Amino acid sequence: AQTVTQSQPEMSVQEAETVTLSCTYDTSESDYYLFWYKQPPSRQMILVIRQEAYKQQNATENRFSVNFQKAAKSFSLKISDSQLGDAAMYFCAYRLSNDMRFGAGTRLTVKP
Amino acid sequence: DTGVSQNPRHKITKRGQNVTFRCDPISEHNRLYWYRQTLGQGPEFLTYFQNEAQLEKSRLLSDRFSAERPKGSFSTLEIQRTEQGDSAMYLCASSLGPFVPDTQYFGPGTRLTVL
Repeated sequence: AQTVTQSQPEMSVQEAETVTLSCTYDTSESDYYLFWYKQPPSRQMILVIRQEAYKQQNATENRFSVNFQKAAKSFSLKISDSQLGDAAMYFCAYRLSNDMRFGAGTRLTVKP
Repeated sequence: DTGVSQNPRHKITKRGQNVTFRCDPISEHNRLYWYRQTLGQGPEFLTYFQNEAQLEKSRLLSDRFSAERPKGSFSTLEIQRTEQGDSAMYLCASSLGPFVPDTQYFGPGTRLTVL
Protein backbone atom coordinates (compact mmCIF):
# COMPACT_ATOMS: atom_id res chain seq x y z
CA ALA A 1 0.00 0.00 0.00
CA GLN A 2 1.17 3.48 -0.71
CA THR A 3 1.78 5.59 2.36
CA VAL A 4 2.95 9.15 2.74
CA THR A 5 4.87 10.31 5.80
CA GLN A 6 5.48 13.87 6.89
CA SER A 7 7.75 13.68 9.90
CA GLN A 8 7.49 17.34 10.91
CA PRO A 9 4.11 18.14 12.50
CA GLU A 10 5.13 21.78 12.91
CA MET A 11 7.75 24.06 11.44
CA SER A 12 8.43 27.74 11.78
CA VAL A 13 10.44 30.15 9.67
CA GLN A 14 11.38 33.79 9.87
CA GLU A 15 9.91 36.02 7.22
CA ALA A 16 12.20 36.23 4.16
CA GLU A 17 14.10 33.10 5.20
CA THR A 18 14.04 29.65 3.61
CA VAL A 19 12.38 26.56 5.01
CA THR A 20 12.27 22.93 3.86
CA LEU A 21 9.38 20.59 4.57
CA SER A 22 10.06 16.86 4.44
CA CYS A 23 8.02 14.08 2.87
CA THR A 24 8.73 10.43 2.28
CA TYR A 25 6.51 7.85 0.65
CA ASP A 26 6.34 4.16 0.13
CA THR A 27 5.56 2.59 -3.22
CA SER A 28 6.62 -0.27 -5.44
CA GLU A 29 5.55 1.60 -8.58
CA SER A 30 7.93 3.42 -10.89
CA ASP A 31 5.56 5.84 -12.57
CA TYR A 32 3.49 8.04 -10.27
CA TYR A 33 2.89 11.65 -9.30
CA LEU A 34 3.68 13.72 -6.25
CA PHE A 35 2.08 16.91 -5.05
CA TRP A 36 2.35 19.54 -2.36
CA TYR A 37 -0.92 21.17 -1.34
CA LYS A 38 -1.36 24.18 0.94
CA GLN A 39 -4.37 24.58 3.25
CA PRO A 40 -4.55 28.01 4.93
CA PRO A 41 -6.60 28.29 8.11
CA SER A 42 -10.31 27.99 7.33
CA ARG A 43 -9.62 28.14 3.63
CA GLN A 44 -9.63 25.59 0.89
CA MET A 45 -6.75 23.48 -0.24
CA ILE A 46 -4.74 24.69 -3.21
CA LEU A 47 -2.03 23.04 -5.27
CA VAL A 48 1.47 24.40 -4.67
CA ILE A 49 3.59 22.21 -6.92
CA ARG A 50 3.53 18.93 -8.80
CA GLN A 51 6.20 16.43 -9.81
CA GLU A 52 5.98 13.56 -12.28
CA ALA A 53 8.13 10.64 -11.12
CA TYR A 54 9.48 9.99 -14.62
CA LYS A 55 11.00 13.46 -14.73
CA GLN A 56 14.46 13.80 -13.26
CA GLN A 57 14.32 17.58 -13.13
CA ASN A 58 12.96 19.01 -9.90
CA ALA A 59 9.79 21.07 -10.29
CA THR A 60 9.89 24.77 -9.50
CA GLU A 61 7.09 27.31 -9.12
CA ASN A 62 8.36 30.77 -8.28
CA ARG A 63 9.49 30.64 -4.61
CA PHE A 64 8.56 26.98 -4.27
CA SER A 65 10.80 24.14 -5.37
CA VAL A 66 11.10 20.45 -4.64
CA ASN A 67 13.98 18.08 -4.05
CA PHE A 68 12.78 14.81 -5.55
CA GLN A 69 14.94 11.81 -4.70
CA LYS A 70 13.26 8.85 -6.38
CA ALA A 71 15.57 6.14 -5.09
CA ALA A 72 15.19 7.42 -1.53
CA LYS A 73 11.43 7.98 -2.05
CA SER A 74 11.81 11.49 -0.73
CA PHE A 75 9.98 14.60 -1.89
CA SER A 76 10.80 17.74 0.11
CA LEU A 77 9.40 21.22 -0.46
CA LYS A 78 11.60 24.28 -0.20
CA ILE A 79 10.01 27.67 0.31
CA SER A 80 12.36 30.57 -0.36
CA ASP A 81 11.88 34.16 0.81
CA SER A 82 9.05 33.08 3.11
CA GLN A 83 6.08 35.42 3.35
CA LEU A 84 3.41 35.79 6.03
CA GLY A 85 0.88 34.44 3.54
CA ASP A 86 2.77 31.16 3.38
CA ALA A 87 1.52 30.25 6.85
CA ALA A 88 -0.68 27.18 6.42
CA MET A 89 -0.89 23.41 6.68
CA TYR A 90 1.15 21.78 3.94
CA PHE A 91 0.22 18.34 2.72
CA CYS A 92 2.37 16.06 0.64
CA ALA A 93 0.39 13.71 -1.63
CA TYR A 94 1.10 10.69 -3.80
CA ARG A 95 -1.02 9.66 -6.75
CA LEU A 96 -0.79 6.53 -8.88
CA SER A 97 -4.17 6.49 -10.57
CA ASN A 98 -7.28 8.22 -9.26
CA ASP A 99 -6.72 7.58 -5.57
CA MET A 100 -4.59 10.33 -4.02
CA ARG A 101 -2.91 9.59 -0.68
CA PHE A 102 -2.04 12.46 1.63
CA GLY A 103 0.39 12.76 4.50
CA ALA A 104 -0.71 14.05 7.90
CA GLY A 105 0.53 17.53 7.14
CA THR A 106 3.06 20.04 8.45
CA ARG A 107 1.86 23.24 10.06
CA LEU A 108 4.08 26.11 8.93
CA THR A 109 4.27 29.28 10.99
CA VAL A 110 5.91 32.38 9.54
CA LYS A 111 7.33 34.83 12.07
CA PRO A 112 7.46 38.52 11.15
CA ASP B 1 -15.97 32.77 -9.04
CA THR B 2 -16.28 29.45 -10.90
CA GLY B 3 -14.39 27.28 -8.43
CA VAL B 4 -15.65 24.18 -6.66
CA SER B 5 -18.47 24.96 -4.26
CA GLN B 6 -19.88 22.91 -1.43
CA ASN B 7 -23.06 23.25 0.60
CA PRO B 8 -23.67 23.50 3.40
CA ARG B 9 -20.39 24.72 4.84
CA HIS B 10 -21.31 23.48 8.31
CA LYS B 11 -23.76 20.83 9.47
CA ILE B 12 -24.58 19.86 13.02
CA THR B 13 -26.75 16.81 13.47
CA LYS B 14 -27.76 14.32 16.09
CA ARG B 15 -26.55 10.76 16.02
CA GLY B 16 -28.80 8.56 13.94
CA GLN B 17 -29.96 11.29 11.58
CA ASN B 18 -29.32 11.31 7.84
CA VAL B 19 -27.37 14.13 6.22
CA THR B 20 -26.73 15.09 2.61
CA PHE B 21 -23.98 17.28 1.23
CA ARG B 22 -23.74 18.82 -2.19
CA CYS B 23 -20.75 19.56 -4.38
CA ASP B 24 -20.76 21.66 -7.54
CA PRO B 25 -17.57 21.11 -9.53
CA ILE B 26 -15.92 23.48 -11.95
CA SER B 27 -18.26 23.44 -14.94
CA GLU B 28 -16.12 21.73 -17.57
CA HIS B 29 -14.57 19.20 -15.19
CA ASN B 30 -15.70 15.64 -15.76
CA ARG B 31 -14.00 14.09 -12.73
CA LEU B 32 -15.24 14.55 -9.20
CA TYR B 33 -13.76 13.25 -5.95
CA TRP B 34 -14.91 13.05 -2.35
CA TYR B 35 -12.47 13.04 0.58
CA ARG B 36 -12.84 13.02 4.35
CA GLN B 37 -10.46 14.95 6.59
CA THR B 38 -10.38 14.52 10.35
CA LEU B 39 -8.65 16.93 12.70
CA GLY B 40 -4.89 16.83 12.42
CA GLN B 41 -4.89 14.48 9.44
CA GLY B 42 -4.63 14.75 5.71
CA PRO B 43 -7.62 14.09 3.47
CA GLU B 44 -8.59 10.45 2.89
CA PHE B 45 -10.02 9.38 -0.44
CA LEU B 46 -13.65 8.20 -0.36
CA THR B 47 -14.87 7.92 -3.93
CA TYR B 48 -14.46 9.16 -7.49
CA PHE B 49 -16.73 9.84 -10.46
CA GLN B 50 -15.94 10.05 -14.13
CA ASN B 51 -18.94 11.98 -15.44
CA GLU B 52 -21.95 10.19 -13.90
CA ALA B 53 -20.19 6.88 -13.32
CA GLN B 54 -18.85 6.09 -9.88
CA LEU B 55 -15.63 4.30 -10.77
CA GLU B 56 -13.87 3.83 -7.49
CA LYS B 57 -14.83 3.55 -3.83
CA SER B 58 -12.59 3.39 -0.80
CA ARG B 59 -13.04 0.81 1.93
CA LEU B 60 -13.73 3.85 4.13
CA LEU B 61 -17.04 4.26 2.34
CA SER B 62 -19.27 2.07 4.48
CA ASP B 63 -22.78 0.97 3.54
CA ARG B 64 -24.15 4.03 5.32
CA PHE B 65 -22.47 6.29 2.79
CA SER B 66 -23.77 6.80 -0.72
CA ALA B 67 -22.69 9.21 -3.41
CA GLU B 68 -24.34 10.15 -6.65
CA ARG B 69 -23.59 12.35 -9.57
CA PRO B 70 -26.69 12.50 -11.75
CA LYS B 71 -26.06 13.71 -15.29
CA GLY B 72 -22.40 14.16 -14.52
CA SER B 73 -22.84 17.59 -13.00
CA PHE B 74 -23.19 18.20 -9.25
CA SER B 75 -22.71 15.41 -6.75
CA THR B 76 -24.31 14.53 -3.44
CA LEU B 77 -22.87 12.57 -0.55
CA GLU B 78 -25.40 11.10 1.86
CA ILE B 79 -24.62 9.61 5.23
CA GLN B 80 -27.38 7.56 6.79
CA ARG B 81 -27.74 6.88 10.52
CA THR B 82 -24.85 9.19 11.38
CA GLU B 83 -22.39 8.20 14.11
CA GLN B 84 -20.08 10.40 16.17
CA GLY B 85 -17.15 8.96 14.27
CA ASP B 86 -18.52 10.52 11.09
CA SER B 87 -17.64 13.97 12.42
CA ALA B 88 -15.12 15.37 9.97
CA MET B 89 -14.57 17.79 7.12
CA TYR B 90 -15.90 16.39 3.85
CA LEU B 91 -13.99 17.74 0.87
CA CYS B 92 -14.96 17.65 -2.76
CA ALA B 93 -12.52 18.12 -5.62
CA SER B 94 -12.86 18.16 -9.38
CA SER B 95 -10.49 17.81 -12.30
CA LEU B 96 -10.62 18.09 -16.05
CA GLY B 97 -9.34 14.62 -16.88
CA PRO B 98 -9.05 12.23 -18.54
CA PHE B 99 -5.33 11.76 -18.16
CA VAL B 100 -3.59 11.78 -14.81
CA PRO B 101 -2.12 13.68 -13.17
CA ASP B 102 -4.70 16.29 -13.99
CA THR B 103 -4.81 18.77 -11.15
CA GLN B 104 -7.55 18.40 -8.56
CA TYR B 105 -9.20 21.62 -7.42
CA PHE B 106 -10.70 21.48 -3.98
CA GLY B 107 -13.83 23.05 -2.58
CA PRO B 108 -14.02 24.70 0.86
CA GLY B 109 -15.47 21.58 2.46
CA THR B 110 -18.49 20.77 4.61
CA ARG B 111 -17.74 20.40 8.30
CA LEU B 112 -19.99 17.77 9.88
CA THR B 113 -20.47 17.57 13.64
CA VAL B 114 -22.44 14.63 14.97
CA LEU B 115 -23.67 15.11 18.54
